[in-house]
Amino acid sequence: GAGVSQSPSNKVTEKGKDVELRCDPISGHTALYWYRQSLGQGLEFLIYFQGNSAPDKSGLPSDRFSAERTGGSVSTLTIQRTQQEDSAVYLCASSSDLDYGYTFGSGTRLTVV
Amino acid sequence: AQSVTQLDSQVPVFEEAPVELRCNYSSSVSVYLFWYVQYPNQGLQLLLKYLSGSTLVKGINGFEAEFNKSQTSFHLRKPSVHISDTAEYFCAVRQGSYIPTFGRGTSLIVHP
Repeated sequence: GAGVSQSPSNKVTEKGKDVELRCDPISGHTALYWYRQSLGQGLEFLIYFQGNSAPDKSGLPSDRFSAERTGGSVSTLTIQRTQQEDSAVYLCASSSDLDYGYTFGSGTRLTVV
Repeated sequence: AQSVTQLDSQVPVFEEAPVELRCNYSSSVSVYLFWYVQYPNQGLQLLLKYLSGSTLVKGINGFEAEFNKSQTSFHLRKPSVHISDTAEYFCAVRQGSYIPTFGRGTSLIVHP
């Protein structure tokens, strides 16, 4: 597609359940980022994939969070044993080597009840 | 380490008035600077970016920003705002290949 696609757009889950959030970046973009946006907060960096290099996981808040990127394209962010404080909008972005700006997806709004 | 401060959490302004959204950064090396806009229930959209060259950068929707190295600022301006400019605006800084850091955002509220 022409843009970054994220699914689902909204997810309501019960505390303690696992969730998977998907990001489909722009074709050919080598870099993929996950950010978390909580109410009234800025963007919190979670994880960064660049080509075939090992991902930068320095922003993951706990070991309940993990992400993978298959074939250098689609990425899945997994949150295990969700907690209420995980409620936020999860944004994915991609960029190419030739452009330092990002293209963001519309995000997944996660609500943990 | 890099950091970004957006000095105003909220900026109310009347339609057709000028506006300036402030952004200051800290970094010990050369940086790349960005402004993004987020409309309700949407992702972030790149407004403009400074990579090098002219310190006055023009972006989409009539916005512009000026890079001031001595003051470590990258303020966003528009001479005449519209109702449709109501949104959240984020400043971001990036050092080379480092992961960009975003500010907390400034909510621009345009009143008729």
